[in-house]
Amino acid sequence: DTGVSQDPRHKITKRGQNVTFRCDPISEHNRLYWYRQTLGQGPEFLTYFQNEAQLEKSRLLSDRFSAERPKGSFSTLEIQRTEQGDSAMYLCASSWTGEQYFGPGTRLTVT
Amino acid sequence: QQQVKQSPQSLIVQKGGISIINCAYENTAFDYFPWYQQFPGKGPALLIAIRPDVSEKKEGRFTISFNKSAKQFSLHIMDSQPGDSATYFCAANSNYQLIWGAGTKLIIKP
Repeated sequence: DTGVSQDPRHKITKRGQNVTFRCDPISEHNRLYWYRQTLGQGPEFLTYFQNEAQLEKSRLLSDRFSAERPKGSFSTLEIQRTEQGDSAMYLCASSWTGEQYFGPGTRLTVT
Repeated sequence: QQQVKQSPQSLIVQKGGISIINCAYENTAFDYFPWYQQFPGKGPALLIAIRPDVSEKKEGRFTISFNKSAKQFSLHIMDSQPGDSATYFCAANSNYQLIWGAGTKLIIKP
């Protein structure tokens, strides 16, 4: 499978715990995006990398959210001190020329 | 000005009929307009996309109509099938960022 992959697919955590999600983009894609999607809504842009450079992070929801793409390949999204309001689907997408291709998402449930 | 307004919120179409979903935008800097299809529990899948210098694009049963002066674009699904039942999102691109419509839940009745 040469599409975008995300791990884990589902994560259940207790409030206050830290969680980290991984995204592996399509191999030749230099751009990587993170989105959050809540039920019944369209995806909400969080952050964007071109190669290893994080070019936009002002849309990250709070300072509890951070993302990295250390070698310009896979990326991680970390949420510290999770809150119930963080429960959502976290989507990763990658692109080369502009068309964004999405992974299956990580469903986060904070109890 | 960054919004993309999508309608209807939900749509029921008989099998074999034409499904039409509409979107409108304000920001003339948008330079790319994709449509995504999403099934429950899955990520959005790119369906078809258009750039503003083209008024129509067709791929199989899916057609985008684009009206630059009215700042509107629409998705037409011809010969709609039960397998097309999904949520459809329009989006507009400005630089790196996609701005999304709120989605249309489409149900095709057999």
